[in-house]
Amino acid sequence: KNEVEQSPQNLTAQEGEFITINCSYSVGISALHWLQQHPGGGIVSLFMLSSGKKKHGRLIATINIQEKHSSLHITASHPRDSAVYICAVSPHSRLTFGEGTQLTVNP
Amino acid sequence: DVKVTQSSRYLVKRTGEKVFLECVQDMDHENMFWYRQDPGLGLRLIYFSYDVKMKEKGDIPEGYSVSREKKERFSLILESASTNQTSMYLCASTSSGEGQETQYFGPGTRLLVL
Repeated sequence: KNEVEQSPQNLTAQEGEFITINCSYSVGISALHWLQQHPGGGIVSLFMLSSGKKKHGRLIATINIQEKHSSLHITASHPRDSAVYICAVSPHSRLTFGEGTQLTVNP
Repeated sequence: DVKVTQSSRYLVKRTGEKVFLECVQDMDHENMFWYRQDPGLGLRLIYFSYDVKMKEKGDIPEGYSVSREKKERFSLILESASTNQTSMYLCASTSSGEGQETQYFGPGTRLLVL
């Protein structure tokens, strides 16, 4: 069993829909990271959180430490949100990654 | 603006060749990492370094070595490339800490070994 599990693996949505991607982990962590990878490969850090909730524009990330679960929400989704979203946890400086969720938002 | 650069975006090499992938960061970060990314397997850590001349094996170090002679530069070496090393290679860096630091990634190198 992977230490970091994401669901769903693939997600297709229509523009404007509210999107949720889930991440569960099985190890103790210092922080949980949400990353975005666009076609072409570059990875960008969206959020790093160790408790509660963070918001940046249309993106919201939440974490429940007791349940070892995090969610990434995208409100009013747009085709430019199409990317792979990756959850990662850091017990120390090195990250352990989920397999990623491929999101496609259709116009 | 912070930056992690990788020496090549695309590389094609032949089986048995020695391959060098270079990563440079301009943020004075202590920690640097090399990952490979494969469909269905996600990102896996090959090696990391927490200081100049220091290195630690990650989850899949076999067939790879690394070099960190200067703080800003971390090189990944494939001593004798094999077809199963065809992959996307990503470098990243962070400042030192207890795991609550943002990782900054390079653009990646797509390596094809024929």
